[in-house]
Amino acid sequence: ETGVTQSPTHLIKTRGQQVTLRCSSQSGHNTVSWYQQALGQGPQFIFQYYREEENGRGNFPPRFSGLQFPNYSSELNVNALELDDSALYLCASSLGLAGANTGELFFGEGSRLTVL
Amino acid sequence: GQQVMQIPQYQHVQEGEDFTTYCNSSTTLSNIQWYKQRPGGHPVFLIQLVKSGEVKKQKRLTFQFGEAKKNSSLHITATQTTDVGTYFCAGPRTYKYIFGTGTRLKVLA
Repeated sequence: ETGVTQSPTHLIKTRGQQVTLRCSSQSGHNTVSWYQQALGQGPQFIFQYYREEENGRGNFPPRFSGLQFPNYSSELNVNALELDDSALYLCASSLGLAGANTGELFFGEGSRLTVL
Repeated sequence: GQQVMQIPQYQHVQEGEDFTTYCNSSTTLSNIQWYKQRPGGHPVFLIQLVKSGEVKKQKRLTFQFGEAKKNSSLHITATQTTDVGTYFCAGPRTYKYIFGTGTRLKVLA
């Protein structure tokens, strides 16, 4: 077990709705990265939070937003859901040094989102 | 932008046969990581390679990092049914890791 927990594990939404996914990082880890993994694809980087600040962003529109809390847990919010947002959303915690990823990523089990 | 490609995309082997997946980056990497994702699961870290030409072994798994630090390989000797899953390489780009396209391994008993 990685010590990274995500909730909910599965959820179904309809187009246009909003969703919030949650992640508790491994104890002592100050960096959380969110990835989107479509079926049969590799994980695609959404963004990363380091010490409560967004530290970098992938090629995702602004309707994908996030937060990191003082205890380093994190949320991913997606507004105006589209059918293509259906995917496994993975949270990965790590121990970052000045926001640079140099070590192992510890992934949670993921939240599987289906948009109808 | 930086791309990380893996070949083959799929590989079916008989149990006991060897398996190799190759990872190629369009840019030089400071390090490379390998992950395994079981069907229905999440990526699990296997190893990180840092030095040019580095070779590391974990039981039946052998990992190599190319001399130019732009490619890597994972070789599994005498595959077992427990090796089933998708193997990803991942290379760093500033603050993030870019994952390869993955190689899905099926092992036939």
